[in-house]
Amino acid sequence: DAKTTQPPSMDCAEGRAANLPCNHSTISGNEYVYWYRQIHSQGPQYIIHGLKNNETNEMASLIITEDRKSSTLILPHATLRDTAVYYCIVRPPEGGSSNTGKLIFGQGTTLQVKP
Amino acid sequence: SAVISQKPSRDICQRGTSLTIQCQVDSQVTMMFWYRQQPGQSLTLIATANQGSEATYESGFVIDKFPISRPNLTFSTLTVSNMSPEDSSIYLCSCRQSYNQPQHFGDGTRLSIL
Repeated sequence: DAKTTQPPSMDCAEGRAANLPCNHSTISGNEYVYWYRQIHSQGPQYIIHGLKNNETNEMASLIITEDRKSSTLILPHATLRDTAVYYCIVRPPEGGSSNTGKLIFGQGTTLQVKP
Repeated sequence: SAVISQKPSRDICQRGTSLTIQCQVDSQVTMMFWYRQQPGQSLTLIATANQGSEATYESGFVIDKFPISRPNLTFSTLTVSNMSPEDSSIYLCSCRQSYNQPQHFGDGTRLSIL
């Protein structure tokens, strides 16, 4: 499974864009990049995912470099409620009896949004 | 997205006892998973719950300690057997409706063993 590297922590001012980087230099061509976040005392929440193209939804934007070795999650206008641990995960393709396309979590980035 | 309900939400148990955690999904799903989150740590996958067959366990987890059932496409249970204080963790159920769909999580069961 491709491994991801994220900074352990980041700060962001409320109202500003939060840019969370992730390195996944060993990603293979058919692996997706997923982002989740975990707010204290809750289960992980799905944010966004992508394969090659940049993606945007109501929560965030995902920018994937052309070589796919890194990506950035962008929260355009961070609020205090965005304070959470953010996980970047490379998901293997589903196939075979022992590969279910399961999500393997790393340590993530703790984002602190400050007033 | 699927809504996942876990019971109990928290419990305090005595060492040596066993506890069964239930996971109910509000729609049929293809895949169900169980994770553990130890205090201050990230999530660790315990096993994939397979409908109608034995669960697929990750390295370091065994069926005798964490027996799993999945009788249908909306329900699964995880039992934590012969508990010790080291089993104090949050146990989370997760599901995915199909390969192209995101995986979703319940809010977990907070388990403390005295």
